Amino acid sequence: GAGVSQSPSNKVTEKGKDVELRCDPISGHTALYWYRQSLGQGLEFLIYFQGNSAPDKSGLPSDRFSAERTGGSVSTLTIQRTQQEDSAVYLCASSLVGTGDFEQFFGPGTRLTVL
Amino acid sequence: DQQVKQNSPSLSVQEGRISILNCDYTNSMFDYFLWYKKYPAEGPTFLISISSIKDKNEDGRFTVFLNKSAKHLSLHIVPSQPGDSAVYFCAASVSSNTGKLIFGQGTTLQVKP
Repeated sequence: GAGVSQSPSNKVTEKGKDVELRCDPISGHTALYWYRQSLGQGLEFLIYFQGNSAPDKSGLPSDRFSAERTGGSVSTLTIQRTQQEDSAVYLCASSLVGTGDFEQFFGPGTRLTVL
Repeated sequence: DQQVKQNSPSLSVQEGRISILNCDYTNSMFDYFLWYKKYPAEGPTFLISISSIKDKNEDGRFTVFLNKSAKHLSLHIVPSQPGDSAVYFCAASVSSNTGKLIFGQGTTLQVKP
């Protein structure tokens, strides 16, 4: 079966532009996570979706960041008015159940570069 | 506030020897711990996990040890193989919670032939 897919794989944008990053989770997985990895850093939690519950947005670094998950499947992470510090690899993960003891499967990530 | 720390950014070992990667955490609410392995340009892949009710979990060449009193865990790889060369991330979670993982900074392991 297909794993988690993300698009685009690379995105270069100019400071101040908006970007949209897409994630297709594994079919049947109810939980979806977004993380980012800045250069030389570990993965930083951004946002979590579980079924129809309200998302956990506690990791979003500013109000320029938002995410949606449509129909309980595909998710889009939007960054408005991008800044150079937003440059990072953005990783999406999904898991069968949204609790801490279930394995999360990661996509390959989107490398975002803000010039 | 780094709740999960991997203090060694890199580790180099000879093929066939043991690799020991270390991880410390500060949040006593964490009760589930995972190790992920990451190759360049790929997403992390799950390696092994351990619940706080255990102090050891073994899967083939990989063993994770948990010392709750010291808030410390370690990953042992034996024997190490060149294909094990990758970045290893330690992660922790509260299992009854949303499942969001708190990651360490990663340790780059190089296994020399």
